[in-house]
Amino acid sequence: QSALTQPASVSGSPGQSITISCTGTSSDVGGYDFVSWYQQHPGKAPKLIIYDVNSRPSGVSNRFSGSKSGYTASLTISGLQAEDEADYYCSSYTSSSTRVFGGGTKVTVL
Amino acid sequence: QVQLVESGGGLVKPGGSLRLSCAASGFTFSDYYMSWIRQAPGKGLEWVSYISGTGSNTNYADAVKGRFTVSRDNARNSLYLQMNSLRADDMAVYYCAKNYGSTRPDYWGQGTLVTVSS
Repeated sequence: QSALTQPASVSGSPGQSITISCTGTSSDVGGYDFVSWYQQHPGKAPKLIIYDVNSRPSGVSNRFSGSKSGYTASLTISGLQAEDEADYYCSSYTSSSTRVFGGGTKVTVL
Repeated sequence: QVQLVESGGGLVKPGGSLRLSCAASGFTFSDYYMSWIRQAPGKGLEWVSYISGTGSNTNYADAVKGRFTVSRDNARNSLYLQMNSLRADDMAVYYCAKNYGSTRPDYWGQGTLVTVSS
């Protein structure tokens, strides 16, 4: 199972919106609405911020939103804040009943 | 609240073995699938394995199949990962996670570092 494809880095100024893409295949992203997104600050464990393409766990800011079209899922961060600077990983259920992650995207707040 | 605490990491020689443990609390452990996910230094996340609440259903990434074994002790609220024939590319921080459904990690521990080096 190959990793999902994410851009290595994305940057934006405070208050701006940024979008991170996550591209897979018909065996993962394209085949199921079970895409999730995780935020990871340096030296910390990942934190779930989006599940099932566009649902937010309780307590996660509504500045985070998700979507999917075809084989590509996307995470949008609106009103970018300094605390959003972190690594972001997408993940999808697969046809082998396993889980696959993206390579990760480093978000920099300028 | 959900707490997951991994232990058992350390330095091991190539070809050696190591057993990781994860102590769980704050939820009914036996009701949930659990996962192991790893992260090599400076790299991304890689799913390793999951196990059902009863332990009857397991699955592994191709990279570890035949070398790693996941197990659990519901009486002790503990998850385990037996790692044999360790290689340099197994070196990583290993996280245990509580799943929603069979595969989706929703809570993660802080991880334990496994170093494979001669």
